[in-house]
Amino acid sequence: DIQMTQSPSSLSASVGDRVTITCRASQDIRNYLAWYQQKPGKVPNLLIYAASTLQSGVPSRFSGSGSGTDFTLTISSLQPEDVATFYCQNYYSAPWTFGQGTKVEIK
Amino acid sequence: QVQLVESGGGVVQPGGSLRLSCEASGFTFSYYGMHWVRQAPGKGLEWVAVISYDGSNKYYADSVKGRFTISRDNSKNTLSLQMNSLRAEDTAMYYCARAGGRSSTTWYIAYWGQGTRVTVSS
Repeated sequence: DIQMTQSPSSLSASVGDRVTITCRASQDIRNYLAWYQQKPGKVPNLLIYAASTLQSGVPSRFSGSGSGTDFTLTISSLQPEDVATFYCQNYYSAPWTFGQGTKVEIK
Repeated sequence: QVQLVESGGGVVQPGGSLRLSCEASGFTFSYYGMHWVRQAPGKGLEWVAVISYDGSNKYYADSVKGRFTISRDNSKNTLSLQMNSLRAEDTAMYYCARAGGRSSTTWYIAYWGQGTRVTVSS
């Protein structure tokens, strides 16, 4: 099975900072990688699919990159409303595993 | 707009069964793959199962294989999850979710329901 490993598990950054989260797949998943944001007490929300395609309505400060086994999610300028846990997910093949999550807080 | 409304959650004893349903609206249900995803209290997301647009292909997480069955009724725009031999570790919020498209290469999760809570406890 494909394992997805995110780092860091949590981070604290200041408003306006550039934030980067990484996701590593245990085998090549090409670009079949999605990123989700889950705000506290809320349902997850799709941010990015196909590793770098921004879902409609998602602010442009979010971006994704990578292919194969290594991927990144970048928030170019962290905003207070970005406090959330972020998850990557493989959808190249079964099982459609999620990473363990990265909790982002404001310093 | 896309709406996914789950029902059927509740409290069940270990070894018991429960059937979750998800009523879909606002899109052509028969066109899309559909998922179930769960989240235990205070934990991360765990993918559970996916079914193809026509029900011909189904995949399960190892943790539920042989105990859970995903199905769909395209005539009623309904997704189901039959859960048997439930364990304490199945306690979670269960989300119905729509894929991005029809083929498996688009089976990221584009839309999520609000979830239904399942508690397995004696």
